[in-house]
Amino acid sequence: NAGVTQTPKFQVLKTGQSMTLQCAQDMNHEYMSWYRQDPGMGLRLIHYSVGAGITDQGEVPNGYNVSRSTTEDFPLRLLSAAPSQTSVYFCASSSDRGNYGYTFGSGTRLTVV
Amino acid sequence: AQSVAQPEDQVNVAEGNPLTVKCTYSVSGNPYLFWYVQYPNRGLQFLLKYITGDNLVKGSYGFEAEFNKSQTSFHLKKPSALVSDSALYFCAVRDGAGGFKTIFGAGTRLFVKA
Repeated sequence: NAGVTQTPKFQVLKTGQSMTLQCAQDMNHEYMSWYRQDPGMGLRLIHYSVGAGITDQGEVPNGYNVSRSTTEDFPLRLLSAAPSQTSVYFCASSSDRGNYGYTFGSGTRLTVV
Repeated sequence: AQSVAQPEDQVNVAEGNPLTVKCTYSVSGNPYLFWYVQYPNRGLQFLLKYITGDNLVKGSYGFEAEFNKSQTSFHLKKPSALVSDSALYFCAVRDGAGGFKTIFGAGTRLFVKA
């Protein structure tokens, strides 16, 4: 089925480890974003991309890197995991700047111990 | 910078009664406004949007929202609540003056009692 695919669904990391959260979409959407969801704080924008080769920072970019080498893929890299990065991470994609609404992946639940 | 406020952490309503979930926003340009719903252990689903035009917009599952420019509000409404409407609801805004970022509120949990 068409949509946004995130892997893995669950991950436990030790403090200081690095990892990459994968996100892929097959709808040929230009716009892709990464959000983190924390209780009482809603969704906060980490990084976003308006097309292949173009990325920019969101509200909470520190500790995360992104790249967009293809239209389909938008991986999120944690450079050195910290307990404060324990969260649920959502990838989302859209055409036309999100004017028609974003399609969200099912999320990655990350725990940093 | 744009921002969104959802003043209620939780809204409780009886099945069959009307429901309202409140949202206020702040942007420098024209607001592009959205509502999303999240069911347990799922990603967010798009409900409806306001870009321009009529202040009352209709969306999925019988939901509607009213845009009020003077009060900078975009409240979500439904005439008759269902138990299955119980979920977490998010308001979001994008600055129509060329902005690319969509910013979400903290969310409001809706609980519909049978």
